[in-house]
Amino acid sequence: ETGVTQTPRHLVMGMTNKKSLKCEQHLGHNAMYWYKQSAKKPLELMFVYSLEERVENNSVPSRFSPECPNSSHLFLHLHTLQPEDSALYLCASSQDLGAGEAFFGQGTRLTVV
Amino acid sequence: SQQGEEDPQALSIQEGENATMNCSYKTSINNLQWYRQNSGRGLVHLILIRSNEREKHSGRLRVTLDTSKKSSSLLITASRAADTASYFCATESIGDDKIIFGKGTRLHILP
Repeated sequence: ETGVTQTPRHLVMGMTNKKSLKCEQHLGHNAMYWYKQSAKKPLELMFVYSLEERVENNSVPSRFSPECPNSSHLFLHLHTLQPEDSALYLCASSQDLGAGEAFFGQGTRLTVV
Repeated sequence: SQQGEEDPQALSIQEGENATMNCSYKTSINNLQWYRQNSGRGLVHLILIRSNEREKHSGRLRVTLDTSKKSSSLLITASRAADTASYFCATESIGDDKIIFGKGTRLHILP
């Protein structure tokens, strides 16, 4: 248990659906991240938030929309996804940007059908 | 963008042997970290080594860093079946606070 909780653990959605992934941390961390992990690819950094402000958007398609309402919660809103978006989506947090150790959630296994 | 490149991509060894994994990176870094991931789960932080450090130990783990060669190694001594997992190196580059991961090494400990 790392202190970062992701829900749901598994999600199957159609290409026309709208769904949201949730991440929660009560570690008092100020930075939060979304990563995408596809088979045989390195972890791809998608979004970075610091003190609830987005500081990084790594050319992610607009069908992925992050939201950080407060420093403890991070969402990833999904809309009109493609089958190639199927992957493990990992949330992480760290004390601050550039603070070293990141704490990861268990991930959401997303399947787009 | 990918920063670290682990080598080998996959490694199978007998229980009790030592496992060595290597990581090469491209930019100047503040620190390098190693993480472990069990199949389909989240990553767990193992050890962090700063750019001014050359070697660090934590239990059965030994990490080295050679900034002149832009490389690091992770040694797991006296391996156990429970060490079976994927291992990733990750770097924080100077002037960039993001943690960027490599593709990982899949380690399989044979009983």
